[in-house]
Amino acid sequence: QKEVEQDPGPLSVPEGAIVSLNCTYSNSAFQYFMWYRQYSRKGPELLMYTYSSGNKEDGRFTAQVDKSSKYISLFIRDSQPSDSATYLCAMSGTGFQKLVFGTGTRLLVSP
Amino acid sequence: KAGVTQTPRYLIKTRGQQVTLSCSPISGHRSVSWYQQTPGQGLQFLFEYFSETQRNKGNFPGRFSGRQFSNSRSEMNVSTLELGDSALYLCASSEYGRTSTDTQYFGPGTRLTVL
Repeated sequence: QKEVEQDPGPLSVPEGAIVSLNCTYSNSAFQYFMWYRQYSRKGPELLMYTYSSGNKEDGRFTAQVDKSSKYISLFIRDSQPSDSATYLCAMSGTGFQKLVFGTGTRLLVSP
Repeated sequence: KAGVTQTPRYLIKTRGQQVTLSCSPISGHRSVSWYQQTPGQGLQFLFEYFSETQRNKGNFPGRFSGRQFSNSRSEMNVSTLELGDSALYLCASSEYGRTSTDTQYFGPGTRLTVL
């Protein structure tokens, strides 16, 4: 079993929909939780970073961490076609080093 | 500032050969990490270098090695290539690679195909 599980999708939604992306993990030592977005033929770019449990909001994006359930989520409000990409969750016990990534969820937002 | 650059962008090799990939971090960044990305396994951490020293290492065989130069540029080498080494190899840099908020910035990757 992988340390981090993520549904590969693809997840297809119409423009304007609320998108929910999720990851589960097994390592209770993880304290740092990140979401990256990766466009085709590009490297991942950091979207959100959360330490420990709780919510964090940045524009249309909200990250949630539930350490008791070992479950993290990324919500995208008012989704746009430009949000079409692969979304990767990542986590670590020590910050941005030795990140453990999920396999990524491919999101398709249709106009 | 220029972003993380990786060369070459695409590479085709045959089994048994060796390959060297290069990464130039963002100016001022001293930590460089390498990741392998495949459809089945996703992104997996290879190793991290800081000030020319390997500081962290993932669970990859000894065929995978790396080094960092005094200007923080880094190279990774894969010897005796296997078909399963076909992947996107990503390099990421950060200032110190130590603090919890020291964000990593990824390069575009080198796509390696082993025939």
